[in-house]
Amino acid sequence: EAAVTQSPRSKVAVTGGKVTLSCHQTNNHDYMYWYRQDTGHGLRLIHYSYVADSTEKGDIPDGYKASRPSQENFSLILELASLSQTAVYFCASSDELGGSAETLYFGSGTRLTVL
Amino acid sequence: QQQVRQSPQSLTVWEGETAILNCSYEDSTFNYFPWYQQFPGEGPALLISIRSVSDKKEDGRFTIFFNKREKKLSLHITDSQPGDSATYFCAASGGWQLIFGSGTQLTVMP
Repeated sequence: EAAVTQSPRSKVAVTGGKVTLSCHQTNNHDYMYWYRQDTGHGLRLIHYSYVADSTEKGDIPDGYKASRPSQENFSLILELASLSQTAVYFCASSDELGGSAETLYFGSGTRLTVL
Repeated sequence: QQQVRQSPQSLTVWEGETAILNCSYEDSTFNYFPWYQQFPGEGPALLISIRSVSDKKEDGRFTIFFNKREKKLSLHITDSQPGDSATYFCAASGGWQLIFGSGTQLTVMP
């Protein structure tokens, strides 16, 4: 079965600090995504990647960087965390790009609180 | 601008009733519409999907009705069970990106 694991499950960060969220998939999928979930906004795409060592901007990339060191791993980096980045973050993978894929496989999420 | 809209924001039904979740979209090029189900503390998971060439898709107690002319679709959950209590996201795509709605939180009372 498809598996996407995220770490940590939750994190408290201080404003201005650096935060790294990690994602690992065992699906052998080329495409990986980072989404942000806020109440009333659904899921919004931050960054995605279709191959190792390459990342692309999604709809809301400001304040975030991404890193894809291998096919299995995809990280989201907040260099200077801000209060407005408090949210739940989901990583996902698929065998085709977003809208073409039959299924996105999501991890369980990371709840980030910035104080 | 929100391209995929869902209503209601929250819905409560009794066990055994039919829950109806609504979704509308703006972009006429959208042709693939999956619904994702999310339980508290978990990530969304694909529940059922439909392509614009069809007007109905059924999978057990879950049915999507699609109206291309009005750019509307709905998810019907018949014989609702407490285990169906979750947030349901409608999504749409016409190309590379999947656009998600803001979700409907469904509560099924026993």
